[in-house]
Amino acid sequence: VQLVESGGGLVQPGASLRLSCVASGFTFNGIWMSWVRQAPGRGLEWVANINPDGSQTYYVDSVRGRFTLSRDNAKNSVYLQMNSLRAEDTAVYYCTKGGDVSSWYWRDWGQGTLVTVSS
Amino acid sequence: DIQVTQSPSTLSASVGDRVTITCRASQSISSWLAWYQQKPGKAPKFLIYEASILEGGVPSRFSGSGSGTEFTLTISSLQPDDFATYYCQPYNSYPLTFGGGTKVEIK
Repeated sequence: VQLVESGGGLVQPGASLRLSCVASGFTFNGIWMSWVRQAPGRGLEWVANINPDGSQTYYVDSVRGRFTLSRDNAKNSVYLQMNSLRAEDTAVYYCTKGGDVSSWYWRDWGQGTLVTVSS
Repeated sequence: DIQVTQSPSTLSASVGDRVTITCRASQSISSWLAWYQQKPGKAPKFLIYEASILEGGVPSRFSGSGSGTEFTLTISSLQPDDFATYYCQPYNSYPLTFGGGTKVEIK
């Protein structure tokens, strides 16, 4: 299993950013996927889940309405569109692989991509 | 939302020590709890699920126990590779949450 994130960077408050995660080593179109983030020096925070066909998404309250999780099974990829970014969204964002029934916990993690929101 | 409280937040121990980390949930989660290990600058590593089932490849010195609202992660004989931060994660409902973490430091 390999999960490779990209798209992080430094943006100003209110800006948008799209994170990508390309997956390999498993049957992507049958697996729930998630994003988990970690602010500098802080603990882990679940961000969002998406089901295998992309028809169901779940978000933590702090990002609902601002972030959108989607996937392209033909490209073995998931995308996290982040709008109206805030300083408190600054974190390393990890792409994680769930299971075939749900994404309750995560055996496999990407290396993470750093998002910094600052003026 | 289910809140989880880990204790202690920091633990100083020596190689060979038996180490126990506690995770308390704000309501019963049956055995729906996972544990992770994280080293600085690295992604978390999955250790245990369903409170006590060791993931393949995880050394047998790690064990998990508990059900309901109180859970423990035990390292029977601390090894140099075990100095890290440990997180518990309940997983019976949304929003998914994590404990605040326990940093295991060298004494």
